[in-house]
Amino acid sequence: GAGVSQSPSNKVTEKGKDVELRCDPISGHTALYWYRQSLGQGLEFLIYFQGNSAPDKSGLPSDRFSAERTGGSVSTLTIQRTQQEDSAVYLCASSLGRGENGYTFGSGTRLTVV
Amino acid sequence: AQSVTQPDIHITVSEGASLELRCNYSYGATPYLFWYVQSPGQGLQLLLKYFSGDTLVQGIKGFEAEFKRSQSSFNLRKPSVHWSDAAEYFCATSGGSYIPTFGRGTSLIVHP
Repeated sequence: GAGVSQSPSNKVTEKGKDVELRCDPISGHTALYWYRQSLGQGLEFLIYFQGNSAPDKSGLPSDRFSAERTGGSVSTLTIQRTQQEDSAVYLCASSLGRGENGYTFGSGTRLTVV
Repeated sequence: AQSVTQPDIHITVSEGASLELRCNYSYGATPYLFWYVQSPGQGLQLLLKYFSGDTLVQGIKGFEAEFKRSQSSFNLRKPSVHWSDAAEYFCATSGGSYIPTFGRGTSLIVHP
């Protein structure tokens, strides 16, 4: 596609429910990143996929968070048993190679846990 | 480990005035450096990037940034600010890990 597409744009869920957030990167971009942005905060790195290599999961805050990337393209971030502190904007970015041309971001998914 | 500091949480300028947003990085080798802008409810848009070569980098929307190794800085500048520049600005760096680290952002407020 022309840009990075994220869905849904907004998600309200009840505490304890599971949610799935989707990211469709730019076609041909080998790298994909997930970040979390809380109100008034910077971007917190969550997970990084590069080609067929094992993902770098070092930023995932707990084992309730997981992500996969199928066929080197679309990625899904799953949060199990959501908590109120999970409320944030979840941003996905993709890049060609290792980011030499910068990183292209989607518009994000705003998650609200009530 | 790489890190980025944006010392100013908010900056207020008058329309037409010049602008400088500060960014300091920490990384042993020559870093990759970026400035991004985020308008409300939007994702981040790349303004400019530095990898090597000329230390003064030109970007979109009339922005420029200068890499100063001696000061570990990569400050963003614009000679004349427009009301539409009001947004959140993020400095970022990626080093050996190839995972960009972002600063906490600077909110730019533009007065008419």
